[in-house]
Amino acid sequence: EAGVTQFPSHSVIEKGQTVTLRCDPISGHDNLYWYRRVMGKEIKFLLHFVKESKQDESGMPNNRFLAERTGGTYSTLKVQPAELEDSGVYFCASSQLLRGGPYNEQFFGPGTRLTVL
Amino acid sequence: GDSVTQMEGPVTLSEEAFLTINCTYTATGYPSLFWYVQYPGEGLQLLLKATKADDKGSNKGFEATYRKETTSFHLEKGSVQVSDSAVYFCALCAGGTSYGKLTFGQGTILTVHP
Repeated sequence: EAGVTQFPSHSVIEKGQTVTLRCDPISGHDNLYWYRRVMGKEIKFLLHFVKESKQDESGMPNNRFLAERTGGTYSTLKVQPAELEDSGVYFCASSQLLRGGPYNEQFFGPGTRLTVL
Repeated sequence: GDSVTQMEGPVTLSEEAFLTINCTYTATGYPSLFWYVQYPGEGLQLLLKATKADDKGSNKGFEATYRKETTSFHLEKGSVQVSDSAVYFCALCAGGTSYGKLTFGQGTILTVHP
């Protein structure tokens, strides 16, 4: 079974440009999460989808970030316009939507390394 | 808010040495605790977890015990191998309205030499 995939693996853009990151979760996983790690620091939560609905977007840094999950399958995270501080590694994770507990194992993709120059 | 603090790295060990990576947390209620590992070029993988006080998570020779009284979840391994070289992340899930959201520490780079 394929794991979580992310595209692209690396992206280098100029400040002010737009970048769109894509995440394909494991088939059948209704939960989809985005996280970000800025160089050397902790991995921070950005947002959580349940199917196509945003369950929690409390970690989104500002309105330059837009996440979508049309049809409840893959998700995109668009940064427009990109700023220098947006550089980092963006991780996507997915998990099953099971009842009975607050946590089901999240499976992570390899991440997209974004560099804004 | 919730937070996780890990010992700063990098940590460099010789093969067969004993490993400890300290992790302490701050959270309301009773979070679940995790250790994730990221091998070079790969995504994060769940290494082990503990969901309540005094639980011990274990996997691949690694262990961590959920200590509520000291709010800690230190990672240990008795004899490390070169293949254990990776970045290790301590994390918690507070549950409730934070459904599924993970809060991570800053990561500890481990390098094991032959």
